Amino acid sequence: DSGVTQTPKHLITATGQRVTLRCSPRSGDLSVYWYQQSLDQGLQFLIQYYNGEERAKGNILERFSAQQFPDLHSELNLSSLELGDSALYFCASNRGIGGTNYGYTFGSGTRLTVV
Amino acid sequence: GNSVTQMEGPVTLSEEAFLTINCTYTATGYPSLFWYVQYPGEGLQLLLKATKADDKGSNKGFEATYRKETTSFHLEKGSVQVSDSAVYFCALSDPYNQGGKLIFGQGTELSVKP
Repeated sequence: DSGVTQTPKHLITATGQRVTLRCSPRSGDLSVYWYQQSLDQGLQFLIQYYNGEERAKGNILERFSAQQFPDLHSELNLSSLELGDSALYFCASNRGIGGTNYGYTFGSGTRLTVV
Repeated sequence: GNSVTQMEGPVTLSEEAFLTINCTYTATGYPSLFWYVQYPGEGLQLLLKATKADDKGSNKGFEATYRKETTSFHLEKGSVQVSDSAVYFCALSDPYNQGGKLIFGQGTELSVKP
């Protein structure tokens, strides 16, 4: 157990639907990062939150949004789902803004299948 | 922008063989470099890291040296085991650019046969 908890582990939904993925960071970590892992695109950074505020944005589609709550858990909302959104979604956390000295701790991911 | 390039897999080796997985990077600043490992059905785990030039990261028999002159961070292990079969990701993090987020290479799958 890495200390980063992601739910659900698996999700199957239809095109056009909306889903919410949840991440609880490791105790004491203030930063949460979301990544998408697909066969053709590899690991793509989506978005970072630090202590409730958005800090960096990557290749996140406008149909996707995220937030970090006061208790530091984070949710990634995916809407108007398309077949191409099928992927593994990982959450990672660390203590600070930068990853240099702290490293990142990853959750085990949510596998999203859009049918 | 910053990027990481890894050798393509899959890499198939026999047990006790020597492993090298090549990784080169492009960065405008002074990044930290990482190797992560992903076992089947699991998330990524930090394997080793190096934060400045000439640093050597090591863990579980794996080693990698931060070479600024060749912009490389190749992963090596002297004698692989079946249990090392996994996907290995090279990554960089530049705290002075892009918020310190990790940028990953495409991953290299390693398969070790008994």
